[in-house]
Amino acid sequence: GEDVEQSLFLSVREGDSSVINCTYTDSSSTYLYWYKQEPGAGLQLLTYIFSNMDMKQDQRLTVLLNKKDKHLSLRIADTQTGDSAIYFCAEKNSGAGSYQLTFGKGTKLSVIP
Amino acid sequence: GAGVSQTPSNKVTEKGKYVELRCDPISGHTALYWYRQSLGQGPEFLIYFQGTGAADDSGLPNDRFFAVRPEGSVSTLKIQRTERGDSAVYLCASSISGLRDTQYFGPGTRLTVL
Repeated sequence: GEDVEQSLFLSVREGDSSVINCTYTDSSSTYLYWYKQEPGAGLQLLTYIFSNMDMKQDQRLTVLLNKKDKHLSLRIADTQTGDSAIYFCAEKNSGAGSYQLTFGKGTKLSVIP
Repeated sequence: GAGVSQTPSNKVTEKGKYVELRCDPISGHTALYWYRQSLGQGPEFLIYFQGTGAADDSGLPNDRFFAVRPEGSVSTLKIQRTERGDSAVYLCASSISGLRDTQYFGPGTRLTVL
C-alpha cells in the first residue's frame, strides 16, 4: 500500500531557509501536496505539484520533486516565526479511484527568533 | 466565499453513546471526504462521496461508522457505540470534483470519548 514518510521535527533560526523532506512509495502518485496545520486548526493547503513537474515556486515556497527517488521537498525561504506549524506531505493516487489523500505523520517546524 | 465548516468544533461523549458530526462543504463542490486524525498522526482517509453516493468507504474502520450525504451537500458522519479509541479530530474536506481538484479542509471536530 501507499506510505508517506517525513522526519518529525525541524528547528531553524528566523531568517534562515527551512527544508522539509518527504518520501513516498506509490509510483502511480499523480499529485503531491504540502499542507500546513497550526495548533488547534485545520489543514491549510500551501502548494502542490503534478508528478510530471520537477520544481514549482510560489513566493517563499519552492517544491522539488525527484520522481525517480520518490522524494519531495518543501523549501521555505526567509523563515518567519509565523511559519511555526506542522507540515504534512500528502500524495494523491489516480489509481485509487476515490482520489483520497495519503498523508505523512507531519514535520513540526519550530522557528527560533 | 465561505470555506468548509464543521460542527460541533468539540464533542465530549461517554463510551457507548451515539454521536453525529456535521460537515458543510464549499458551495458547488461535488466531492466530499472524511478523514480522521489521531494525536501525533497525519489524517487518515475514511470515506469519499461523489454527489449523494458514497463512492469509496474503504477507510471506515468498522460498521459502527456510517456517513450520509442525502442531498449532495451537507454530510453527517455517524458513530454508534463510541469507544475511547474513537477519540480523534475528524476532518472534512471538499473539492470541485475529483482527480485534478484540490481538497480544502474544514477546521475539524475534536471528539473525546470518556
